[in-house]
Amino acid sequence: DIVMTQSPDSLAVSLGERATINCKSSQSVFKRSSDKYYLAWFQQKPGQPPKLLFYWASTRESGVSDRFSGSGSGTDFTLTISSLQAEDVAVYYCHQYHTIPYTFGQGTRLEIK
Amino acid sequence: EVQVVQSGAELKKPGESLKISCEASGYAFNSYWIGWVRQMPGKGLEWMGMIYAGDSDTRYSPSFQGQVTFSVDKSISAAYVQWSSLKASDTGIYYCVRLDALHSGLLRAFDFWGQGTSVTVSS
Repeated sequence: DIVMTQSPDSLAVSLGERATINCKSSQSVFKRSSDKYYLAWFQQKPGQPPKLLFYWASTRESGVSDRFSGSGSGTDFTLTISSLQAEDVAVYYCHQYHTIPYTFGQGTRLEIK
Repeated sequence: EVQVVQSGAELKKPGESLKISCEASGYAFNSYWIGWVRQMPGKGLEWMGMIYAGDSDTRYSPSFQGQVTFSVDKSISAAYVQWSSLKASDTGIYYCVRLDALHSGLLRAFDFWGQGTSVTVSS
């Protein structure tokens, strides 16, 4: 199985400051045939289902604030929130859909400092 | 508008059987995979597997193979996961989610999620 490891496990950031969450895959999630990284990011708020933020590592889902950005290559990926707002408090998950069984990172809890 | 609506919360005893549902609307149900994801209390997301609605082709995570069974009813655009004998460790929230793919076969992402079905197994 491809293991997805996120860091840190939890993060406290002041309002308006930058938040950065890292995700490392144990194997490549690059699909040569399509020239895409099969890596997604989800946001989950308490009592809600996960919400898709990014797919193909850096393509923002429609309706997602441009304060969010996704980047990365190889086996290292990053989710960045440029200016933290109160509504961004959530748990964030990276997810690989390159190899079955698809897998998720353990999650990173983001809070306000 | 794409919608994915799951069945309501369940409280069951160990050893009982259960089938929960996920009804989709607003898109061509037969042309998409439906995935299932478990979230145990206070824990992260676990991918259980997925089923292609068009022909019921299924892919199970080894962790869930033999423990659950996926099925679909194309006539009502519904997907199901069932257990024949529940255990306390099956307690959690179960999400169904659509896997979007382009006509070329390029996978986009798991995009539309159901609201989740809470399953509690307790004696």
